Amino acid sequence: ETGVTQTPRHLVMGMTNKKSLKCEQHLGHNAMYWYKQSAKKPLELMFVYSLEERVENNSVPSRFSPECPNSSHLFLHLHTLQPEDSALYLCASRPGQGTNEQFFGPGTRLTVL
Amino acid sequence: AQSVAQPEDQVNVAEGNPLTVKCTYSVSGNPYLFWYVQYPNRGLQFLLKYITGDNLVKGSYGFEAEFNKSQTSFHLKKPSALVSDSALYFCAVRPSGSARQLTFGSGTQLTVLP
Repeated sequence: ETGVTQTPRHLVMGMTNKKSLKCEQHLGHNAMYWYKQSAKKPLELMFVYSLEERVENNSVPSRFSPECPNSSHLFLHLHTLQPEDSALYLCASRPGQGTNEQFFGPGTRLTVL
Repeated sequence: AQSVAQPEDQVNVAEGNPLTVKCTYSVSGNPYLFWYVQYPNRGLQFLLKYITGDNLVKGSYGFEAEFNKSQTSFHLKKPSALVSDSALYFCAVRPSGSARQLTFGSGTQLTVLP
Protein backbone atom coordinates (compact mmCIF):
# COMPACT_ATOMS: atom_id res chain seq x y z
CA GLU A 1 0.00 0.00 0.00
CA THR A 2 1.17 3.51 -0.84
CA GLY A 3 -0.43 5.33 2.08
CA VAL A 4 -2.90 7.15 -0.14
CA THR A 5 -6.50 6.16 0.51
CA GLN A 6 -9.60 6.82 -1.54
CA THR A 7 -13.27 6.48 -0.67
CA PRO A 8 -15.55 5.15 -1.86
CA ARG A 9 -13.89 2.41 -3.92
CA HIS A 10 -16.98 2.00 -6.07
CA LEU A 11 -19.75 4.48 -6.85
CA VAL A 12 -22.82 4.19 -9.02
CA MET A 13 -24.78 7.36 -9.57
CA GLY A 14 -27.49 8.77 -11.74
CA MET A 15 -26.98 11.80 -13.92
CA THR A 16 -28.92 14.04 -11.55
CA ASN A 17 -27.08 13.00 -8.39
CA LYS A 18 -24.45 14.93 -6.47
CA LYS A 19 -21.62 12.96 -4.91
CA SER A 20 -18.07 13.49 -3.72
CA LEU A 21 -14.89 11.44 -3.95
CA LYS A 22 -12.41 11.65 -1.11
CA CYS A 23 -8.66 11.22 -1.07
CA GLU A 24 -6.50 11.23 2.03
CA GLN A 25 -2.81 10.95 2.76
CA HIS A 26 -0.92 11.37 6.02
CA LEU A 27 2.48 11.00 4.45
CA GLY A 28 3.40 14.65 4.78
CA HIS A 29 3.15 15.12 1.03
CA ASN A 30 2.36 18.61 -0.16
CA ALA A 31 1.08 18.00 -3.67
CA MET A 32 -2.08 16.11 -4.58
CA TYR A 33 -3.58 15.16 -7.92
CA TRP A 34 -6.77 13.88 -9.52
CA TYR A 35 -6.49 11.71 -12.62
CA LYS A 36 -9.13 10.09 -14.81
CA GLN A 37 -8.32 6.65 -16.18
CA SER A 38 -10.35 5.32 -19.08
CA ALA A 39 -9.66 2.03 -20.82
CA LYS A 40 -6.83 2.14 -23.38
CA LYS A 41 -6.34 5.88 -22.97
CA PRO A 42 -3.52 7.80 -21.30
CA LEU A 43 -4.14 8.92 -17.78
CA GLU A 44 -5.77 12.31 -17.92
CA LEU A 45 -4.57 14.82 -15.36
CA MET A 46 -7.59 16.70 -14.05
CA PHE A 47 -6.38 18.84 -11.16
CA VAL A 48 -3.25 19.53 -9.15
CA TYR A 49 -2.94 21.17 -5.78
CA SER A 50 0.51 21.92 -4.39
CA LEU A 51 2.48 24.58 -2.57
CA GLU A 52 3.99 25.59 -5.90
CA GLU A 53 0.89 25.68 -8.04
CA ARG A 54 -2.76 24.90 -8.59
CA VAL A 55 -3.37 23.48 -12.02
CA GLU A 56 -6.65 22.85 -13.72
CA ASN A 57 -6.91 21.01 -16.99
CA ASN A 58 -9.05 23.34 -19.06
CA SER A 59 -10.64 20.42 -20.85
CA VAL A 60 -12.22 19.10 -17.63
CA PRO A 61 -15.94 19.93 -17.55
CA SER A 62 -17.27 22.16 -14.80
CA ARG A 63 -19.40 19.31 -13.50
CA PHE A 64 -16.17 18.20 -11.79
CA SER A 65 -15.17 20.48 -8.94
CA PRO A 66 -12.08 19.94 -6.77
CA GLU A 67 -11.60 20.98 -3.19
CA CYS A 68 -8.40 20.84 -1.17
CA PRO A 69 -9.12 21.99 2.42
CA ASN A 70 -5.64 21.08 3.66
CA SER A 71 -2.51 19.29 2.53
CA SER A 72 -3.83 15.88 3.61
CA HIS A 73 -7.25 15.85 1.98
CA LEU A 74 -8.53 16.25 -1.53
CA PHE A 75 -12.10 16.01 -2.74
CA LEU A 76 -13.69 15.75 -6.15
CA HIS A 77 -17.28 16.96 -6.16
CA LEU A 78 -19.48 15.53 -8.87
CA HIS A 79 -22.79 16.85 -10.18
CA THR A 80 -24.96 16.23 -13.23
CA LEU A 81 -22.47 13.79 -14.68
CA GLN A 82 -22.78 12.06 -18.03
CA PRO A 83 -22.38 8.35 -18.84
CA GLU A 84 -19.06 9.10 -20.57
CA ASP A 85 -17.71 10.23 -17.21
CA SER A 86 -17.71 6.61 -16.08
CA ALA A 87 -14.08 5.74 -15.37
CA LEU A 88 -11.55 5.02 -12.66
CA TYR A 89 -10.65 8.18 -10.77
CA LEU A 90 -7.21 8.09 -9.24
CA CYS A 91 -5.77 10.32 -6.57
CA ALA A 92 -2.02 10.73 -6.18
CA SER A 93 0.32 12.65 -3.92
CA ARG A 94 3.93 13.76 -4.19
CA PRO A 95 6.34 14.47 -1.34
CA GLY A 96 7.57 17.87 -2.41
CA GLN A 97 9.38 20.04 -4.87
CA GLY A 98 12.25 18.28 -6.58
CA THR A 99 10.89 14.85 -5.78
CA ASN A 100 9.36 13.32 -8.83
CA GLU A 101 7.56 10.14 -7.90
CA GLN A 102 3.84 10.24 -7.34
CA PHE A 103 2.12 7.83 -4.97
CA PHE A 104 -1.27 6.66 -6.13
CA GLY A 105 -4.37 5.60 -4.28
CA PRO A 106 -6.38 2.54 -5.35
CA GLY A 107 -8.94 4.62 -7.21
CA THR A 108 -12.71 5.03 -7.23
CA ARG A 109 -14.56 3.11 -9.93
CA LEU A 110 -17.36 5.46 -11.00
CA THR A 111 -20.34 4.36 -13.05
CA VAL A 112 -22.82 6.96 -14.25
CA LEU A 113 -26.18 5.58 -15.31
CA ALA B 1 4.04 19.74 -25.93
CA GLN B 2 5.27 16.55 -24.33
CA SER B 3 3.91 13.13 -25.26
CA VAL B 4 4.44 9.44 -24.64
CA ALA B 5 3.74 6.55 -26.98
CA GLN B 6 3.36 2.96 -25.93
CA PRO B 7 2.91 1.25 -29.28
CA GLU B 8 1.67 -2.07 -27.95
CA ASP B 9 -1.67 -2.39 -26.18
CA GLN B 10 -0.87 -5.98 -25.25
CA VAL B 11 2.33 -7.96 -24.76
CA ASN B 12 2.30 -11.70 -24.12
CA VAL B 13 5.38 -13.60 -22.98
CA ALA B 14 6.04 -17.05 -21.59
CA GLU B 15 7.16 -17.38 -18.00
CA GLY B 16 10.94 -17.46 -17.76
CA ASN B 17 11.45 -15.60 -21.02
CA PRO B 18 12.76 -12.04 -21.22
CA LEU B 19 10.20 -9.31 -21.58
CA THR B 20 10.24 -5.84 -23.13
CA VAL B 21 7.57 -3.17 -22.90
CA LYS B 22 8.21 -0.32 -25.31
CA CYS B 23 7.98 3.41 -24.71
CA THR B 24 8.99 6.39 -26.81
CA TYR B 25 8.64 10.00 -25.81
CA SER B 26 8.70 13.55 -27.05
CA VAL B 27 9.70 16.42 -24.78
CA SER B 28 11.53 19.73 -24.92
CA GLY B 29 14.94 19.51 -23.38
CA ASN B 30 16.10 16.69 -21.16
CA PRO B 31 13.47 14.26 -19.96
CA TYR B 32 12.59 12.76 -16.64
CA LEU B 33 11.18 9.31 -17.43
CA PHE B 34 9.15 6.94 -15.28
CA TRP B 35 7.57 3.52 -15.33
CA TYR B 36 4.54 2.65 -13.22
CA VAL B 37 2.69 -0.65 -12.85
CA GLN B 38 -0.99 -1.16 -12.09
CA TYR B 39 -2.28 -4.46 -10.76
CA PRO B 40 -6.01 -5.24 -10.97
CA ASN B 41 -8.18 -3.08 -8.70
CA ARG B 42 -5.15 -1.13 -7.52
CA GLY B 43 -3.66 2.28 -8.16
CA LEU B 44 -0.44 2.89 -10.04
CA GLN B 45 2.76 1.83 -8.32
CA PHE B 46 6.13 3.42 -9.04
CA LEU B 47 8.70 1.05 -10.60
CA LEU B 48 11.68 3.12 -11.64
CA LYS B 49 12.81 6.44 -13.02
CA TYR B 50 15.52 8.00 -15.15
CA ILE B 51 16.67 11.45 -14.12
CA THR B 52 20.31 11.63 -15.15
CA GLY B 53 23.43 9.49 -15.21
CA ASP B 54 23.64 5.83 -16.24
CA ASN B 55 21.34 5.03 -19.13
CA LEU B 56 20.41 1.67 -17.58
CA VAL B 57 18.14 2.14 -14.62
CA LYS B 58 17.26 -0.64 -12.20
CA GLY B 59 14.00 -0.68 -10.32
CA SER B 60 11.67 -2.79 -8.24
CA TYR B 61 10.90 -6.49 -8.75
CA GLY B 62 13.89 -7.07 -11.06
CA PHE B 63 12.76 -4.59 -13.71
CA GLU B 64 15.13 -2.29 -15.52
CA ALA B 65 14.82 0.29 -18.26
CA GLU B 66 17.25 1.69 -20.78
CA PHE B 67 17.24 5.34 -21.71
CA ASN B 68 18.20 5.90 -25.36
CA LYS B 69 18.40 9.57 -26.16
CA SER B 70 18.98 9.19 -29.90
CA GLN B 71 15.92 6.98 -30.27
CA THR B 72 13.92 8.89 -27.62
CA SER B 73 13.04 5.59 -26.03
CA PHE B 74 12.78 4.21 -22.51
CA HIS B 75 11.90 0.54 -22.87
CA LEU B 76 11.12 -1.53 -19.79
CA LYS B 77 12.83 -4.89 -19.54
CA LYS B 78 13.14 -7.93 -17.31
CA PRO B 79 15.45 -10.89 -17.98
CA SER B 80 13.02 -13.57 -16.79
CA ALA B 81 9.29 -12.94 -16.59
CA LEU B 82 7.05 -14.19 -13.78
CA VAL B 83 3.32 -14.88 -13.96
CA SER B 84 2.95 -12.34 -11.15
CA ASP B 85 4.37 -9.64 -13.46
CA SER B 86 1.09 -9.69 -15.39
CA ALA B 87 -0.29 -6.17 -15.04
CA LEU B 88 -0.82 -2.86 -16.83
CA TYR B 89 2.36 -0.84 -17.35
CA PHE B 90 2.51 2.92 -17.87
CA CYS B 91 5.38 5.03 -19.12
CA ALA B 92 5.47 8.74 -18.19
CA VAL B 93 7.60 11.77 -19.01
CA ARG B 94 8.12 15.35 -17.91
CA PRO B 95 10.75 17.91 -18.86
CA SER B 96 13.63 18.31 -16.42
CA GLY B 97 13.91 21.54 -14.53
CA SER B 98 10.26 22.29 -14.94
CA ALA B 99 7.22 22.31 -12.74
CA ARG B 100 5.21 20.78 -15.54
CA GLN B 101 3.26 17.67 -14.77
CA LEU B 102 3.78 14.09 -15.82
CA THR B 103 2.36 12.97 -19.14
CA PHE B 104 1.42 9.28 -19.23
CA GLY B 105 1.17 6.83 -22.07
CA SER B 106 -1.95 4.78 -22.72
CA GLY B 107 -0.57 1.70 -21.01
CA THR B 108 0.52 -1.77 -22.09
CA GLN B 109 -1.15 -4.89 -20.72
CA LEU B 110 1.52 -7.48 -20.01
CA THR B 111 0.40 -11.09 -19.72
CA VAL B 112 2.92 -13.70 -18.64
CA LEU B 113 1.78 -17.18 -19.57
CA PRO B 114 2.68 -20.14 -17.34
